[in-house]
Amino acid sequence: AQKVTQAQTEISVVEKEDVTLDCVYETRDTTYYLFWYKQPPSGELVFLIRRNSFDEQNEISGRYSWNFQKSTSSFNFTITASQVVDSAVYFCALSEPLSGGSYIPTFGRGTSLIVHP
Amino acid sequence: DAMVIQNPRYQVTQFGKPVTLSCSQTLNHNVMYWYQQKSSQAPKLLFHYYDKDFNNEADTPDNFQSRRPNTSFCFLDIRSPGLGDAAMYLCATSRPGTGGYNEQFFGPGTRLTVL
Repeated sequence: AQKVTQAQTEISVVEKEDVTLDCVYETRDTTYYLFWYKQPPSGELVFLIRRNSFDEQNEISGRYSWNFQKSTSSFNFTITASQVVDSAVYFCALSEPLSGGSYIPTFGRGTSLIVHP
Repeated sequence: DAMVIQNPRYQVTQFGKPVTLSCSQTLNHNVMYWYQQKSSQAPKLLFHYYDKDFNNEADTPDNFQSRRPNTSFCFLDIRSPGLGDAAMYLCATSRPGTGGYNEQFFGPGTRLTVL
């Protein structure tokens, strides 16, 4: 079963529009971590945010905000007033404990965001 | 600046010809990972090291091997590349945190072409 679902394969918006990227996860653990990464055309994944399962407080960082809802197992990402530089593939990831105590992230398939000028 | 470096950025090899990809880090992180990423897909974990402790994913082909001679360096060896191994290979690091691993820091990747 897929652990992280990013149902939106590609989203296309015009600059200055707000856009929300959806992430739904599945886990049986009570302790887990959620992440968002950005992968621009250059290829390097860049960490954006980490959230642990006990912290449901939403977060805002500049034009970025994240909405964590345990009740719906979702960790959505909103970009306000999008810019062309936001064009990238965005990955949501879930890190849960495995046997032996290690945590290894599982990535969603990614959402390609295209921001047109 | 502390970072994760991958060399080369682009690698072309012939079918069946062994190839080695390298990764180095200046972050002094305990954990290093190798991922394979094919076009429009999520990164797929091949293996990871916690210090010198090697952890292989169950579905990683035997054709893929890894070495970590010290904290800073990690190598990915593909013994007999097939056409299906053409992909971007990403190296990442992280440091263990309370209750689990922290966020990962990725290198720019090596794009492997198999002719």
